[in-house]
Amino acid sequence: DQQVKQNSPSLSVQEGRISILNCDYTNSMFDYFLWYKKYPAEGPTFLISISSIKDKNEDGRFTVFLNKSAKHLSLHIVPSQPGDSAVYFCAASRSSNTGKLIFGQGTTLQVKP
Amino acid sequence: DAGVTQSPTHLIKTRGQQVTLRCSPISGHKSVSWYQQVLGQGPQFIFQYYEKEERGRGNFPDRFSARQFPNYSSELNVNALLLGDSALYLCASSPYGTRQETQYFGPGTRLLVL
Repeated sequence: DQQVKQNSPSLSVQEGRISILNCDYTNSMFDYFLWYKKYPAEGPTFLISISSIKDKNEDGRFTVFLNKSAKHLSLHIVPSQPGDSAVYFCAASRSSNTGKLIFGQGTTLQVKP
Repeated sequence: DAGVTQSPTHLIKTRGQQVTLRCSPISGHKSVSWYQQVLGQGPQFIFQYYEKEERGRGNFPDRFSARQFPNYSSELNVNALLLGDSALYLCASSPYGTRQETQYFGPGTRLLVL
């Protein structure tokens, strides 16, 4: 039972354009969501998070949007840079136990120069 | 400040053997979680420990066990290794593992079972 899904295994965008990565979840008890970036042979690196009491959170080039009614979140990267090429994971948790993250399968982003 | 550290970085074992992986959390973090990541999938939650107590366990067999020490470092043990245990094992830490905290991950231990 996949509670968090990233339906696009890969995404390719041109440098300078917007990258949009999507994530869907099924468990309405999730109230804290995070995005991580992962390079090969490294651990996931935290990018940005959002609480269920918000619908948007920005940090520099990264913005996360949350649509609770649709159980959907997205990560926008503007402008995209070649160094952004990596695997992106969304993760969800309950604030009663944020030590247990449920991850999606990941989306591989390629930013072409 | 040092991030989450894990040892060893790589490990090769044969079926039936036992393995111990180690993790040191970020200074001041009391919660440690373990995840298994197999190729092509997202990390899967194995255990969470807080103040030396197990706070959560994922859907893994009893061959997997863990513990946390008074200095908040942690060990993950896997007995009777199977080929399917080959994966990247990730450790993550956070201050308390509750509220809306971010977990920070270490570089992982790559385990290959032959």
